Amino acid sequence: QKEVEQNSGPLSVPEGAIASLNCTYSDRVSQSFFWYRQYSGKSPELIMSIYSNGDKEDGRFTAQLNKASQYVSLLIRDSQPSDSATYLCAVNIRGSSASKIIFGSGTRLSIRP
Amino acid sequence: EAQVTQNPRYLITVTGKKLTVTCSQNMNHEYMSWYRQDPGLGLRQIYYSMNVEVTDKGDVPEGYKVSRKEKRNFPLILESPSPNQTSLYFCASSLYPLGEYGYTFGSGTRLTVV
Repeated sequence: QKEVEQNSGPLSVPEGAIASLNCTYSDRVSQSFFWYRQYSGKSPELIMSIYSNGDKEDGRFTAQLNKASQYVSLLIRDSQPSDSATYLCAVNIRGSSASKIIFGSGTRLSIRP
Repeated sequence: EAQVTQNPRYLITVTGKKLTVTCSQNMNHEYMSWYRQDPGLGLRQIYYSMNVEVTDKGDVPEGYKVSRKEKRNFPLILESPSPNQTSLYFCASSLYPLGEYGYTFGSGTRLTVV
């Protein structure tokens, strides 16, 4: 089992709809959770971080964390064509000597006009 | 402008020819890290540095070296590149250890080893 798992997609969503991206992780004591957006050929850009159970909203983006289910999601409301990108989930995982950030392989999101 | 600068952006080299990818940040971040990104495998950490002269291996360190002689610079060295090191490389820095409050990434270096 991968430490951080995401559906690779592509996920196709009509413009104006809600895009829902999901991520599961294996380490029960993970503390920090991140969503990065990566446009094709560009570097990842941090868009959301979440540390506590529940929802965290920032503009059109909402991150949801459920530690009991080891599940973190990202909702994008009123999806725009400019939201078309790969979304990377990243989780703090315990290593052999220290914790580390592990990235999922990403979900490709396509917003169709 | 706060940024992480990597050079070169693109590099094609031959097997065995030593190369260095430079990385510099202007945010006074203590923590810096190198990742490689391959299709289907996500970002995998190569090496990281907690501060000047403090470096440690990540998940895929074989075939790479790093140094941290100054806080702002964290070069990645491939002493004898091989085709399996063909990849997209990112340098990242963070104010806090291990990127726990998020990384700032460089623009990336696409390396091809033939």
